[in-house]
Amino acid sequence: DAGVIQSPRHEVTEMGQEVTLRCKPISGHNSLFWYRQTMMRGLELLIYFNNNVPIDDSGMPEDRFSAKMPNASFSTLKIQPSEPRDSAVYFCASSTQGDQPQHFGDGTRLSIL
Amino acid sequence: QKEVEQNSGPLSVPEGAIASLNCTYSDRGSQSFFWYRQYSGKSPELIMFIYSNGDKEDGRFTAQLNKASQYVSLLIRDSQPSDSATYLCAVARQLTFGSGTQLTVLP
Repeated sequence: DAGVIQSPRHEVTEMGQEVTLRCKPISGHNSLFWYRQTMMRGLELLIYFNNNVPIDDSGMPEDRFSAKMPNASFSTLKIQPSEPRDSAVYFCASSTQGDQPQHFGDGTRLSIL
Repeated sequence: QKEVEQNSGPLSVPEGAIASLNCTYSDRGSQSFFWYRQYSGKSPELIMFIYSNGDKEDGRFTAQLNKASQYVSLLIRDSQPSDSATYLCAVARQLTFGSGTQLTVLP
């Protein structure tokens, strides 16, 4: 079975540009999570969806970040405008339910110049 | 106080020894606990989960949970150099990961 699929794997863009990260969860998983990982702050939860509905977005750093899940098989995380401090690895994970083990995608390594 | 705290690393053990990784959490109502392994440049990979007090064994890995003390640990027996990685503790209800403990197994 395919795991969580994220794209792109790497993204390098200039400050001020819009960045869109994409995620396809494991089929049948009802919960989807977006995380950001940096050396300084570790793995931080940004937003959590259950059945395509955002449940907890308290980790979204500011209004420049937005996330959508239009259907059960696709989610996006958008940063507009991007800033150098947004440089990090962004992971998407999915699980059958919110309190079940999460399966992570390979991540998107984002560099904002 | 952080919601999920792991013992500070890095931790180095000789090959064949037992590595002990510890984690405490703040939410007394938490029911589900997970240990993930993350190799450098890779994504976290689930290696153990535990829901009940006591020990759970899977091969060389043993997870231990004590809800009264709000403590969960991971023991790795017969440590191998391939076990060298960062180990992340996660508490499901808090949707929070610890900062990780970097383990190095020395040949």
